[in-house]
Amino acid sequence: DSGVTQTPKHLITATGQRVTLRCSPRSGDLSVYWYQQSLDQGLQFLIQYYNGEERAKGNILERFSAQQFPDLHSELNLSSLELGDSALYFCASSVDPFFSELFFGSGTQLSVL
Amino acid sequence: KNEVEQSPQNLTAQEGEFITINCSYSVGISALHWLQQHPGGGIVSLFMLSSGKKKHGRLIATINIQEKHSSLHITASHPRDSAVYICAVRPVSYRGGSEKLVFGKGTKLTVNP
Repeated sequence: DSGVTQTPKHLITATGQRVTLRCSPRSGDLSVYWYQQSLDQGLQFLIQYYNGEERAKGNILERFSAQQFPDLHSELNLSSLELGDSALYFCASSVDPFFSELFFGSGTQLSVL
Repeated sequence: KNEVEQSPQNLTAQEGEFITINCSYSVGISALHWLQQHPGGGIVSLFMLSSGKKKHGRLIATINIQEKHSSLHITASHPRDSAVYICAVRPVSYRGGSEKLVFGKGTKLTVNP
């Protein structure tokens, strides 16, 4: 058990809908990262938060947004969903943004029908 | 050309064999991670390296910064080692470190009894 909790484990929804994925980092970790894993693109970095502030952005679509709350949990919001958004979404956490070990959650499998 | 290249893409071995998975990258990095992903999706961080060599049990990871190359070795392989092994690098940013991870496509390892 990595100590990183992601909910829900599975999510099935329809095109055009909006969903929220939740991540609770390991106790003491201030940095949260979101990644998307699809069959054709592999793993891709989406966005990182550190202690409540956005730290870095990767290949995140404008339809997607995220935030990190004062209790350090993070939410990834995906809106106007398309079939191509179907993927496994991982959250990871680390103590700080640099040179740190990463701990991954078990992922949320999103299926857009 | 991908910034991170792994070889081989697929590897089948017999139990007990010594296994090597290679990772080459084309950018300056602050760290390199080796990750393991089992069927079912969960990701475990095996190693984080910035130089030299690390060992954990039957797993050994090495990195040559000058040659931009890393290897993951598994000694006395076992069927439970069957998984996808992913190399990921942290490109150096202007801040001296980096918040982003760039992932290889992964190496699928199957160890037969």
